[in-house]
Amino acid sequence: AQSVAQPEDQVNVAEGNPLTVKCTYSVSGNPYLFWYVQYPNRGLQFLLKYITGDNLVKGSYGFEAEFNKSQTSFHLKKPSALVSDSALYFCAVRDWAGRGSTLGRLYFGRGTQLTVWP
Amino acid sequence: ETGVTQTPRHLVMGMTNKKSLKCEQHLGHNAMYWYKQSAKKPLELMFVYNFKEQTENNSVPSRFSPECPNSSHLFLHLHTLQPEDSALYLCASSQDSNPRGSYEQYFGPGTRLTVT
Repeated sequence: AQSVAQPEDQVNVAEGNPLTVKCTYSVSGNPYLFWYVQYPNRGLQFLLKYITGDNLVKGSYGFEAEFNKSQTSFHLKKPSALVSDSALYFCAVRDWAGRGSTLGRLYFGRGTQLTVWP
Repeated sequence: ETGVTQTPRHLVMGMTNKKSLKCEQHLGHNAMYWYKQSAKKPLELMFVYNFKEQTENNSVPSRFSPECPNSSHLFLHLHTLQPEDSALYLCASSQDSNPRGSYEQYFGPGTRLTVT
């Protein structure tokens, strides 16, 4: 079954330090992987995606993510965190080789609350 | 949230009321989605429309009734809701919902619904 796990409900990091938000996935075929961010009282905002090719994907606002097929992970990273990065982050996966009604559905993790303190 | 608008942003309704949520996308997309976001739970996909045709109903109770008159507009009609239906309802759009497509979804700001 397709699923996404974000093992940390909360990540705290000091401004200027590197940050990592973890994501692991399970799909029956090859994955399309996405990261979204949600600020308070706002909808989800697309950050970046992995489809194929280079395992390191660069996205908006200085974020990047590394696809690791052997570890089935797609961790979100940023070299130097900003206070304004504080938000809820969602990892999502689409299985393009799945079956039946689940084919193509986007599966979201529960979200990780990132807090960057000054 | 740019490009996808939702109204109203907040809605309080009684269990016997009828109300509608509206979503409009200005991105030229062909697929639209309704999601339910509750506290401490993963995002729940409710409905998918592709080129105005409903392609997915994720076992949603009949008290939620979607309508997609064209590729730019999506409605969610609400009737006889329960308190547990209180949540943030998010609309999204994408270029299409082709299962093998890599198109990301763009979300509106959501409607915060409270059922009393």
